[in-house]
Amino acid sequence: AQSVTQPDIHITVSEGASLELRCNYSYGATPYLFWYVQSPGQGLQLLLKYFSGDTLVQGIKGFEAEFKRSQSSFNLRKPSVHWSDAAEYFCAVVPASGNTGKLIFGQGTTLQVKP
Amino acid sequence: EAGVAQSPRYKIIEKRQSVAFWCNPISGHATLYWYQQILGQGPKLLIQFQNNGVVDDSQLPKDRFSAERLKGVDSTLKIQPAKLEDSAVYLCASSPIAGGTYNEQFFGPGTRLTVL
Repeated sequence: AQSVTQPDIHITVSEGASLELRCNYSYGATPYLFWYVQSPGQGLQLLLKYFSGDTLVQGIKGFEAEFKRSQSSFNLRKPSVHWSDAAEYFCAVVPASGNTGKLIFGQGTTLQVKP
Repeated sequence: EAGVAQSPRYKIIEKRQSVAFWCNPISGHATLYWYQQILGQGPKLLIQFQNNGVVDDSQLPKDRFSAERLKGVDSTLKIQPAKLEDSAVYLCASSPIAGGTYNEQFFGPGTRLTVL
């Protein structure tokens, strides 16, 4: 079945430590890939997106993500986490076939940052 | 540039009551989306409009949910009657156009609905 999976529901890291949030997808053709962040009481903000080309994508707020076709993954990374990065992170896809622009989201990963 | 506006921000109702949410997309955006986000889950598309026509409403519970986008600008989502399981955040998003070369969706702050 077509799906987007974020294996980690909750992650805690210390401020200044590195971060990696995992995302796997299951689609026949590589979909368009996205990472969004949602802070408490806020709407969703796009961090970065991958359509094609260079598999390492740079986003806002110092985030980057790497597309690995062989692993059907699109993991989000940040070298040094700040306390303000505490939020909910969602991986999302737009299927390549029958593309209407509809976003399909993973269940999300809650990031907690320890001082 | 103004973002996507939604109102109200919070709503508490009792089950079997009716409720309506309003969304005003970014000016000039042809495509409007309503998503439902249940606590602990990612958002799920309820309905997508292109101008004032429906593109996708396959996951809209049509026995109780309805939506319209008159004149292809702002939109209203209604629930009648509400059930306990409708408690969620309702997110509105807009994009310049949909499909083809993907256009970024811009999200509003959402309406948090609690059904008692």
